[in-house]
Amino acid sequence: GENVEQHPSTLSVQEGDSAVIKCTYSDSASNYFPWYKQELGKRPQLIIDIRSNVGEKKDQRIAVTLNKTAKHFSLHITETQPEDSAVYFCAASLARQLTFGSGTQLTVLP
Amino acid sequence: DAGITQSPRHKVTETGTPVTLRCHQTENHRYMYWYRQDPGHGLRLIHYSYGVKDTDKGEVSDGYSVSRSKTEDFLLTLESATSSQTSVYFCAISESIQGAGEKLFFGSGTQLSVL
Repeated sequence: GENVEQHPSTLSVQEGDSAVIKCTYSDSASNYFPWYKQELGKRPQLIIDIRSNVGEKKDQRIAVTLNKTAKHFSLHITETQPEDSAVYFCAASLARQLTFGSGTQLTVLP
Repeated sequence: DAGITQSPRHKVTETGTPVTLRCHQTENHRYMYWYRQDPGHGLRLIHYSYGVKDTDKGEVSDGYSVSRSKTEDFLLTLESATSSQTSVYFCAISESIQGAGEKLFFGSGTQLSVL
């Protein structure tokens, strides 16, 4: 099956700075890569996703990049705000199953 | 947002007892999933369903069974609960019309404690 590794496990940034979270996947057949945000005590929520035929996708302050050759993808958050503080999960989809990374706790310091 | 309800929201049970968690959706989506969330492990797939009476195992299916007799309901059963099954359980539906496993929308979760 698919294996997804996510780094770092914790990340602290100053408000206004950028944050980058990186993930690698093991199976080159995976073709869909979403990112989820989970606030404390809440459900995970989809914030952005990318398909394997696209290299980059942006949505306001967040962007995702995908390198199929290296089998890694990254989440970029610019101009971070306190409300960006949460746990972020990457995932990879293979054969109707979504496999998640272990999560990154992002803290935006005022 | 899709309508998805999990019940109960919290449950405390004893080792060795059977437990059933319910997931109910009002969106008529075909694909439904059960995940468990534990610190350091992210979300791990237990079982999933791609239609009525069609289910399959995920990566951590041992000790769990599922049933889907109606499109709207997906039940997760712990046949004989163990302390290692203490976790937060999330149900999810796939809102994508392009493929399964895409654009998952999660329920609010069930906190299960096995003593």
